[in-house]
Amino acid sequence: DIQMTQSPSSLSASVGDRVTITCRASQSISSYLNWYQQKQGKAPKLLIYAVSSLQSGVPSRFSGSGSGTDFTLTISSLQPEDFATYYCQQSYTTPKTFGQGTKVEIK
Amino acid sequence: EVKLVESGGGVVRPGGSLRLSCAASGFTFDDYGMTWVRQAPGKGLEWVSGINWNGVSTVYADSVKGRFTISRNNAKNSLYLQMNSLRAEDTAFYHCARGKLELPNAFDIWGQGTMVTVSS
Repeated sequence: DIQMTQSPSSLSASVGDRVTITCRASQSISSYLNWYQQKQGKAPKLLIYAVSSLQSGVPSRFSGSGSGTDFTLTISSLQPEDFATYYCQQSYTTPKTFGQGTKVEIK
Repeated sequence: EVKLVESGGGVVRPGGSLRLSCAASGFTFDDYGMTWVRQAPGKGLEWVSGINWNGVSTVYADSVKGRFTISRNNAKNSLYLQMNSLRAEDTAFYHCARGKLELPNAFDIWGQGTMVTVSS
């Protein structure tokens, strides 16, 4: 199975900060990397698919980059509604593994 | 409105069975692959199983293979997960999710989930 490792596991940031979350795959997954946001008690929400494609309705402050094994989710200017847990997921092969999550908290 | 609503969760003893359902509305169900993802309380997301648009192709996580069966009824716009030989470690919220048309294993619509508790 492909292991997905996110870093950091949690971070504290202020409104307006630039936030970067990293996801590393245990082997190459080409561009089959997706990012989700999950708020407490809610279902996950797809933010970015295929590394850098923004899902419809997602604000442009979210962006993704990377290829192969190393990927990044960036929030250019953190907003109050962005405090949540973020997961990467590989869709390259079965099982479609998720990272362990990165919790973004208010500083 | 595009919507997925799960049902069928509950409390079951180890070794028991449950059948989860996911009712889809607001989109052409048989155009899309579907997936089950679970989340144990306070834990991360775990992909469980997926099925293609016509039900011919199914895949499973090793942790559930041989115990769980995914299926769908396109006439009823419904997805199912038959869970047998349940274990304590199967305790989780179970979400159904829709795969994107152009990228079936990116999940663009999620249900709120149904809770399964396996306990004696």
